[in-house]
Amino acid sequence: AQKVTQAQTEISVVEKEDVTLDCVYETRDTTYYLFWYKQPPSGELVFLIRRNSFDEQNEISGRYSWNFQKSTSSFNFTITASQVVDSAVYFCALSELQEGGSYIPTFGRGTSLIVHP
Amino acid sequence: DGGITQSPKYLFRKEGQNVTLSCEQNLNHDAMYWYRQDPGQGLRLIYYSQIVNDFQKGDIAEGYSVSREKKESFPLTVTSAQKNPTAFYLCASSPLTGPSSYEQYFGPGTRLTVT
Repeated sequence: AQKVTQAQTEISVVEKEDVTLDCVYETRDTTYYLFWYKQPPSGELVFLIRRNSFDEQNEISGRYSWNFQKSTSSFNFTITASQVVDSAVYFCALSELQEGGSYIPTFGRGTSLIVHP
Repeated sequence: DGGITQSPKYLFRKEGQNVTLSCEQNLNHDAMYWYRQDPGQGLRLIYYSQIVNDFQKGDIAEGYSVSREKKESFPLTVTSAQKNPTAFYLCASSPLTGPSSYEQYFGPGTRLTVT
């Protein structure tokens, strides 16, 4: 079973539409971290947000917002008023404590977002 | 500017040859990582290192080797034992302490093609 599931393989929207990217994770740990990264066509992943398991407060950063719900093991990402520049592959990741004492992320398969003008 | 550099951006090799991918960071991060990305797949961890002269295998280490002789550098060698080496390789680093701990910062990637 996947630890991080991004069920939406590809989403296509028209500019100015709102879009939500889903992320469901699976862990037995009580302490863990969740992340979202953006991969534009250039290929380099860009860090967007980190959330630790004890902080369920939702966060908003400009047009981006994140909804963390432990009860449903979800960490969804919403882009409001999407723009063409938002077109990219978005990855959700879960970091759990490993034997060596470090948190190593497991990535979902990504959601490709295409925003049409 | 602080960041991670990977070189070259594109690399072509003949089957049976070993090839080394470079990764350098000047962010003073303790940890460094190598990932492999195949089309339609997420990132899969090859190796990671939290400290100089120490590294651990990730999920798909077979056919790869690394070294960490300096904090800034974490080269990856793709050996001839790797059965399907053609892929996009991403290097990342992260601090292990502080408010940004475990946030990974990525290089631009190296696209390796083996024929």
